[in-house]
Amino acid sequence: DVKVTQSSRYLVKRTGEKVFLECVQDMDHENMFWYRQDPGLGLRLIYFSYDVKMKEKGDIPEGYSVSREKKERFSLILESASTNQTSMYLCASTTSGYEQYFGPGTRLTVT
Amino acid sequence: SQQGEEDPQALSIQEGENATMNCSYKTSINNLQWYRQNSGRGLVHLILIRSNEREKHSGRLRVTLDTSKKSSSLLITASRAADTASYFCATAQSGNTPLVFGKGTRLSVIA
Repeated sequence: DVKVTQSSRYLVKRTGEKVFLECVQDMDHENMFWYRQDPGLGLRLIYFSYDVKMKEKGDIPEGYSVSREKKERFSLILESASTNQTSMYLCASTTSGYEQYFGPGTRLTVT
Repeated sequence: SQQGEEDPQALSIQEGENATMNCSYKTSINNLQWYRQNSGRGLVHLILIRSNEREKHSGRLRVTLDTSKKSSSLLITASRAADTASYFCATAQSGNTPLVFGKGTRLSVIA
């Protein structure tokens, strides 16, 4: 059974903290993605990666960075968390041209 | 950049009825996919239809694609309370570009 896991389901952080969201997939997928989901705005792509040590900006990369040191792991970093980064964060992986597999999501609250 | 737009935004039906959701998009695509999201969870892939296909079935799901009108529809037949979820369409312009998601249709199936 294919699996994408995310390090936390719920996370509460303070403004200014550095936040790490981890995503791990066990399907040997080349491509991995980070999205945020907000009411009324749907899913918006933050960053994606087509290979180890590669990263590409999505539609809303400001305030975020990513790291992909191993094929199975893709980390999203909030360098200095702000309240407008309170959101649901979703990780996904895929092989090119096929369906994406999503993790369960991390609901992040920044206070 | 929001490519797909689902219609309607919300739909409420009785158990046993059929549910139809529509998706329109703006540019040429390689494939179009439909996903389901139960409240507060990650997305689950339902069906993928390629640009050279017109119709696809999977169990109680039927998807059509009209590339001349840049539109797709998802039909769920004989709906059940467990079908209550948000449904998203997503488009890929090529086999190796990120998916672009619409804002979703919220389906409520009343028992």
